[in-house]
Amino acid sequence: AQRVTQPEKLLSVFKGAPVELKCNYSYSGSPELFWYVQYSRQRLQLLLRHISRESIKGFTADLNKGETSFHLKKPFAQEEDSAMYYCAIRDRTGKLIFGQGTTLQVKP
Amino acid sequence: DVKVTQSSRYLVKRTGEKVFLECVQDMDHENMFWYRQDPGLGLRLIYFSYDVKMKEKGDIPEGYSVSREKKERFSLILESASTNQTSMYLCASSEISLRAYEQYFGPGTRLTVT
Repeated sequence: AQRVTQPEKLLSVFKGAPVELKCNYSYSGSPELFWYVQYSRQRLQLLLRHISRESIKGFTADLNKGETSFHLKKPFAQEEDSAMYYCAIRDRTGKLIFGQGTTLQVKP
Repeated sequence: DVKVTQSSRYLVKRTGEKVFLECVQDMDHENMFWYRQDPGLGLRLIYFSYDVKMKEKGDIPEGYSVSREKKERFSLILESASTNQTSMYLCASSEISLRAYEQYFGPGTRLTVT
């Protein structure tokens, strides 16, 4: 079965510290993976996708097929990064399957 | 700029009431979705629609139904609300093309069933 797991409900770091939000998936075939973000009082929105291999707001995510992971990383966290982050995989029908979400709290 | 709107931000209903949640998008998207968002459970797909009058069940359709009479509007119906349907409900839309992975979300409706 296709599944996305985010093992951490809450990740709390200090401003300037590195951040890694974990995401593991199960999928047979070539997966398409994404990170969505929801800032306080804002809508859920796409942050980045693995195919583009781009850095958005300083965040990057590398698809590791061997470890079936797609962790989201940022070298220096900012207070404005505080938000809920969801990892998602696109299934064979084209729908997105979301993980449980991780709340990132960046303390001053 | 894609706009997805939901009819209410907050809703309080009694057990057994019939509840309608409305969603409208203005980008002529073919796909529309209804999710529940619960702490620790993430987003779970209730129903989706890929065309007018077409619908498919998601992962948790029990207790819900949907209606899509017009392309821009997708309604979620709770036939007889129960307390375990207290949740945040998110509507989303997307294209049917290669960019279908990018879903555009509404602001959400927080439903409380008492």
